[in-house]
Amino acid sequence: AQSVTQLGSHVSVSEGALVLLRCNYSSSVPPYLFWYVQYPNQGLQLLLKYTSAATLVKGINGFEAEFKKSETSFHLTKPSAHMSDAAEYFCAVSEFDSGGSNYKLTFGKGTLLTVNP
Amino acid sequence: EAGVAQSPRYKIIEKRQSVAFWCNPISGHATLYWYQQILGQGPKLLIQFQNNGVVDDSQLPKDRFSAERLKGVDSTLKIQPAKLEDSAVYLCASRRGGRSSYEQYFGPGTRLTVT
Repeated sequence: AQSVTQLGSHVSVSEGALVLLRCNYSSSVPPYLFWYVQYPNQGLQLLLKYTSAATLVKGINGFEAEFKKSETSFHLTKPSAHMSDAAEYFCAVSEFDSGGSNYKLTFGKGTLLTVNP
Repeated sequence: EAGVAQSPRYKIIEKRQSVAFWCNPISGHATLYWYQQILGQGPKLLIQFQNNGVVDDSQLPKDRFSAERLKGVDSTLKIQPAKLEDSAVYLCASRRGGRSSYEQYFGPGTRLTVT
């Protein structure tokens, strides 16, 4: 069974500082990995995804993540935080079943990012 | 293209009452998902449809929850009777389908409060 662990339920950074949100996964097959962002009272928006191509993945709003198989990690980073980055971030792992028809996401518990002026 | 639509956005009911949520996926998306997101947690899959058939409902509490996707387009999720622990945001998502389609598109969700 696949699972996701997000270290740190709450991360606080200063505006302009580095953002690092941690995600470790467990999967029995080569995984697809995702980061989603959720702003208050909104649905989830895809930031970036890893689907077995380049291990360093660039997403929207200046975010990127690196897939490290040896560490089973997919940490999210942004060099310089902006006030508008304040939101909740979810890491997710997915896999298809053997028949190729059942595709589902398993989410971590989320990390709330606060950006201080 | 229009995104995933959900209604209502907010609902407050008393325990033991019934409630229904509606979802209209992105046009042409074959796969539809319902998730439950309890405060402070990540979304948890309740049920997955492929066209109008159920693919996975292993996490759906079938004694009180039901869902349907007639004609393979819109979907409704019903809770009857509701319990206090059903207070959550219910998210609908859709995906085009096929092995090359990875992204799920989420609606804004319905926030349910059971008192």
